[in-house]
Amino acid sequence: AQSVAQPEDQVNVAEGNPLTVKCTYSVSGNPYLFWYVQYPNRGLQFLLKYITGDNLVKGSYGFEAEFNKSQTSFHLKKPSALVSDSALYFCAVRGTVSSNTGKLIFGQGTTLQVKP
Amino acid sequence: KAGVTQTPRYLIKTRGQQVTLSCSPISGHRSVSWYQQTPGQGLQFLFEYFSETQRNKGNFPGRFSGRQFSNSRSEMNVSTLELGDSALYLCASSRVGTAGTSSTDTQYFGPGTRLTVL
Repeated sequence: AQSVAQPEDQVNVAEGNPLTVKCTYSVSGNPYLFWYVQYPNRGLQFLLKYITGDNLVKGSYGFEAEFNKSQTSFHLKKPSALVSDSALYFCAVRGTVSSNTGKLIFGQGTTLQVKP
Repeated sequence: KAGVTQTPRYLIKTRGQQVTLSCSPISGHRSVSWYQQTPGQGLQFLFEYFSETQRNKGNFPGRFSGRQFSNSRSEMNVSTLELGDSALYLCASSRVGTAGTSSTDTQYFGPGTRLTVL
């Protein structure tokens, strides 16, 4: 069965410091991986995705993510955090086996708190 | 280009009632998916529609249903509401969704409809 794990409920980082939000996955076949961000009372905003190719994916708002097949991980990173990055972050996977197509499987979410 | 729109944004209903939520996808997008978000269960997939056909369904009871119209707009309906149906219902659209094998399409989400069941 497909699954996504975000091992940290909350990540705290000081403004200007690098941030990492962790994600590991389990899926049959090659994974398609996504990161979304959710601000209070808002829907999910797409940040970036990994389909194939370069393991380092660059996305919106200075975020990037590194795909590691051997560790089945897809950690979200940013070199310098902003207070405005404080939000709820979701990692999601879409499988490529026919029975798993279409739907996104989401992790439980990680709250990022960036302090001034 | 306008994003995904959902109406209404907020709803309050009582147990036993039914509710219909609406979603208008991004122009040109033909696939619409619905998700339920709750603090306890997180984000869970409800169903996906493409070209007016349901292509995927999550593990929800038959009280949850949906449909898609020829203009790709979608509605979901929940009958006989229960307290546990209180949630944020999110709609997402993508260009083509899936067609047998997984699509690389990105799903873009609307702001959601906050349903409260009393």
